[in-house]
Amino acid sequence: DTGVSQDPRHKITKRGQNVTFRCDPISEHNRLYWYRQTLGQGPEFLTYFQNEAQLEKSRLLSDRFSAERPKGSFSTLEIQRTEQGDSAMYLCASSAGQGTYNEQFFGPGTRLTVL
Amino acid sequence: SQQGEEDPQALSIQEGENATMNCSYKTSINNLQWYRQNSGRGLVHLILIRSNEREKHSGRLRVTLDTSKKSSSLLITASRAADTASYFCATDFSRVYNQGGKLIFGQGTELSVKP
Repeated sequence: DTGVSQDPRHKITKRGQNVTFRCDPISEHNRLYWYRQTLGQGPEFLTYFQNEAQLEKSRLLSDRFSAERPKGSFSTLEIQRTEQGDSAMYLCASSAGQGTYNEQFFGPGTRLTVL
Repeated sequence: SQQGEEDPQALSIQEGENATMNCSYKTSINNLQWYRQNSGRGLVHLILIRSNEREKHSGRLRVTLDTSKKSSSLLITASRAADTASYFCATDFSRVYNQGGKLIFGQGTELSVKP
């Protein structure tokens, strides 16, 4: 395993359903980030973890969104009661702790379509 | 918004030509990073320049940083069709080295290199 992986790659759901995405970071990285990207825009920060601690959450992360990283390894992002406005690419990234300047390495993303 | 601005939004050149993309930001940074994104894919980290650096090279890439003007540029020399992608600058506003935390992305420049 040489990179960040995300699952699923694509998710189509109906409005009102719950969805959960998974991210597996690079194994030695202790920081994990979630971003959201809509068409034609740059990624927007959602939340980040250092080990299992969630250190920052964006105002974009409404009460319907929750993220966890229970053992400081993989992370899940859950969206409850999805809305059409949640349709976007959800990107996960990880970075090493010591000795770095916060270079972040991204996974391939999960594309969510809410019908 | 802290989001940086990128210029131009789109750039179309012939193979072999140089491509220059610019990024401006609003507040003091720890470092600035450039990423590439192929259509529908995750982001690939290209290069990082620290706030105390003025220029950095990596292969065909040259990045400059002018902290007095709060701007950076990315130059791709001798472009190839495979360079066709969106390019994003991302700023790290963390106060100290290795603090970690979110990156703030610009809206990107869409580069098209025609063979």
